[in-house]
Formats: sequence, C-alpha cells, structure tokens
Amino acid sequence: QQQVKQSPQSLIVQKGGISIINCAYENTAFDYFPWYQQFPGKGPALLIAIRPDVSEKKEGRFTISFNKSAKQFSLHIMDSQPGDSATYFCAASKSSARQLTFGSGTQLTVLP
Amino acid sequence: DTAVSQTPKYLVTQMGNDKSIKCEQNLGHDTMYWYKQDSKKFLKIMFSYNNKELIINETVPNRFSPKSPDKAHLNLHINSLELGDSAVYFCASSRAPNEKLFFGSGTQLSVL
Repeated sequence: QQQVKQSPQSLIVQKGGISIINCAYENTAFDYFPWYQQFPGKGPALLIAIRPDVSEKKEGRFTISFNKSAKQFSLHIMDSQPGDSATYFCAASKSSARQLTFGSGTQLTVLP
Repeated sequence: DTAVSQTPKYLVTQMGNDKSIKCEQNLGHDTMYWYKQDSKKFLKIMFSYNNKELIINETVPNRFSPKSPDKAHLNLHINSLELGDSAVYFCASSRAPNEKLFFGSGTQLSVL
C-alpha cells in the first residue's frame, strides 16, 4: 500500500520557537502534498499545500519545504504559538487518484 | 453556517445494536467521504461518493453501509456494532475527487 511516513509522533516546542514536522513518501507519481491541521474535537482543515514544481511555499508563519529527489517534505511553523497546538497531518496524492494518503499525524504542543 | 455537518456528535451504544450517522454539506460539492479516526489519530478513508456514485470502497466490513440519497447527503449505517468500531467518524466533502477536503466535526462512537 502506498505510504506517507510522518515524524515525529509528538513534538513539544516553546512559544516563539520553530516547529518542524517531516514526511517521506514512496510513490514518485505523487504530485500534490497538503498539510491538514486538527484541533481537539474538530475535523482536520487544510492548512497549506504544495505541488512539486516549487521547492518551498510560505503562508504567514507556515512554510512547506519540498525535496523531490529525497521524496521528502516538511512543515515549518515559525514563531510557534500556544494556539498552534494541534495535530498536524501530511498527505500526498497523484492527480489521477481519487483520494489522499495521510501520514500518521504529529501532536504539537506549544508551551506558553 | 456549517459547511459540513454531521449528527450526532456523540453516540454511545451497546454491542450488537444498529446505528446511523448522518452527514450533510451545503458547499455544492460533488464528492463526499467517510473517514475513520482511531484512538491513535490515524485517519483512514472508508468510502467516497462522487455525484451519488460509490467510487471508493476500502476494506471495510459489510456491516458498514453508506447511502447517498442526493449529492448533499451521505449517511453511514452500521449493523451489529462491535467494540472495535469505537472511533471518531468524519464526514468530508470536496469539489471533486482529490481536491481540498472539508471535514465535519466528527461523530464519536463508543460501543460498550
């Protein structure tokens, strides 16, 4: 089964620090890489996404870095805030697919 | 206005019972999904409908049956509930398969 491997499983960061979550994929046909954010008691929501024609995409404090040759992509949260505490899921898919393949999730805790 | 709404939010029931979860989206999307999130937060797709047609049916016990009366609704019926069915079930929708997912807030199912 196609897989997306996500690490770490949990992450604790001080307020103002940088949070980094990594994902690796196997299928070189994947061409869409979103990140979803899930708060307790809520459904996941799309945070940011990237396609492999660029190596980096930034939206506010959130940046995706993409390394096509290594088949890896990562989420960087700059100036992490307690309100960023949530579970983050990476995912991947190919254009012709009908579904996303999700990573296993990272529970981020930002200490005040 | 809630984009994707599912009811009930909590469902506590005995083993062997039959229960249903309802989902409605007001986004005008053509594709709807059911996901299962286990206690470790892993998200697994169960079913997907596009224009009322079943397009994804992952390895799910026959006790689970989705029904899509129209494009805006996708319900999940579960027969003969088992302890292992305890999880959070999320409904989601997207404009088309493999596009941005909009999730509901989830239904926490507890089978006693």
